[in-house]
Amino acid sequence: ETGVTQSPTHLIKTRGQQVTLRCSSQSGHNTVSWYQQALGQGPQFIFQYYREEENGRGNFPPRFSGLQFPNYSSELNVNALELDDSALYLCASSSVEAGEFNEQFFGPGTRLTVL
Amino acid sequence: DQQVKQNSPSLSVQEGRISILNCDYTNSMFDYFLWYKKYPAEGPTFLISISSIKDKNEDGRFTVFLNKSVKHLSLHIVPSQPGDSAVYFCAAVSDSWGKLQFGAGTQVVVTP
Repeated sequence: ETGVTQSPTHLIKTRGQQVTLRCSSQSGHNTVSWYQQALGQGPQFIFQYYREEENGRGNFPPRFSGLQFPNYSSELNVNALELDDSALYLCASSSVEAGEFNEQFFGPGTRLTVL
Repeated sequence: DQQVKQNSPSLSVQEGRISILNCDYTNSMFDYFLWYKKYPAEGPTFLISISSIKDKNEDGRFTVFLNKSVKHLSLHIVPSQPGDSAVYFCAAVSDSWGKLQFGAGTQVVVTP
């Protein structure tokens, strides 16, 4: 069974640029959540996708957007990058049915640095 | 608005002794809590959880205690081992879809 994978591992961008981060869910999982972990803080919930539809969003502006594909892999897109977007971005997959959640499995994260 | 708080950023403990990590929350609607462990360059991994209908859950060396009256939970690790050195996050499940609210984490260092 393959775990959650994320790419790239590290990324450096400049202010104003756009970035796409990718996540491959664990086999059999239908839900993916994205979290932002700034330095010295805990992960903050960005949004969740369930069967290709956004299923809840945290306190993040619209320039943070996402997609979930039929194979349950996912992308996180951030437009107009700001210095404060520098963080570790974590993807977590889980199997959710009828609103009953199960354990979330996290990927290793993508470290984004905005200069 | 930080609804889950870990007020101790770090903890140093000798091998073989007990590690106690604390977590406070403000939202009384939270009814399920988890502890995650994170090593550098890895994602958080699930450690142990507790439902609000319980006040204690044990799994090997790890025990979580929940005191709903004061909105406080703690993780006890006995005995502590060098491999336990990691960042520990307390998290609360905020809805039935499993969305998590995390504390800021506690860095645990277990010394020989």
